[in-house]
Amino acid sequence: GQNIDQPTEMTATEGAIVQINCTYQTSGFNGLFWYQQHAGEAPTFLSYNVLDGLEEKGRFSSFLSRSKGYSYLLLKELQMKDSASYLCAVRDHGAAGNKLTFGGGTRVLVKP
Amino acid sequence: NAGVTQTPKFRILKIGQSMTLQCTQDMNHNYMYWYRQDPGMGLKLIYYSVGAGITDKGEVPNGYNVSRSTTEDFPLRLELAAPSQTSVYFCASSREASYGYTFGSGTRLTVV
Repeated sequence: GQNIDQPTEMTATEGAIVQINCTYQTSGFNGLFWYQQHAGEAPTFLSYNVLDGLEEKGRFSSFLSRSKGYSYLLLKELQMKDSASYLCAVRDHGAAGNKLTFGGGTRVLVKP
Repeated sequence: NAGVTQTPKFRILKIGQSMTLQCTQDMNHNYMYWYRQDPGMGLKLIYYSVGAGITDKGEVPNGYNVSRSTTEDFPLRLELAAPSQTSVYFCASSREASYGYTFGSGTRLTVV
């Protein structure tokens, strides 16, 4: 089984940086995903990490440390439209069909 | 390219009624999934399919059934609706293991 933990809520100011942490325990790790979900909408894919290190994609970066069971999503130059929930999801090594287990999500509120 | 299409968007059911949530994708993805999301929570996997004719249970399958007669369609059936099935249901599809899911827009179901 898997256990995924992430903070429930974070608040940040427009133009600032926010780091959303995700820790996981899994019997066999095979990739970590981050999704963004605006209120009342479907999740949308942000990033994928399977090897240790930092993946940068514009204002968003995602980091993975497999030995520590730890990832973070870094949002830079925050904009009001970044107010959303951010979901961390882990794929198990033996997971048939690319199944993902999701954390509870972190709601980020960006204030002016 | 429509992606993943879910219908209906909203539905109110009475306890004991049945209904089918429709999901279709036009991306020729082999993998398809049904998740439910309760308020303020992450997504929990109900059923998934790795191809036409193949389905398997996820984390919370009780009270639901699925079928996958074609690559495109993956309907979710609720036979005897219960208040505990009040939730938002997301259908998703995936091409390969390293790709993120593409989600449908969701079905908001209330059982009263």
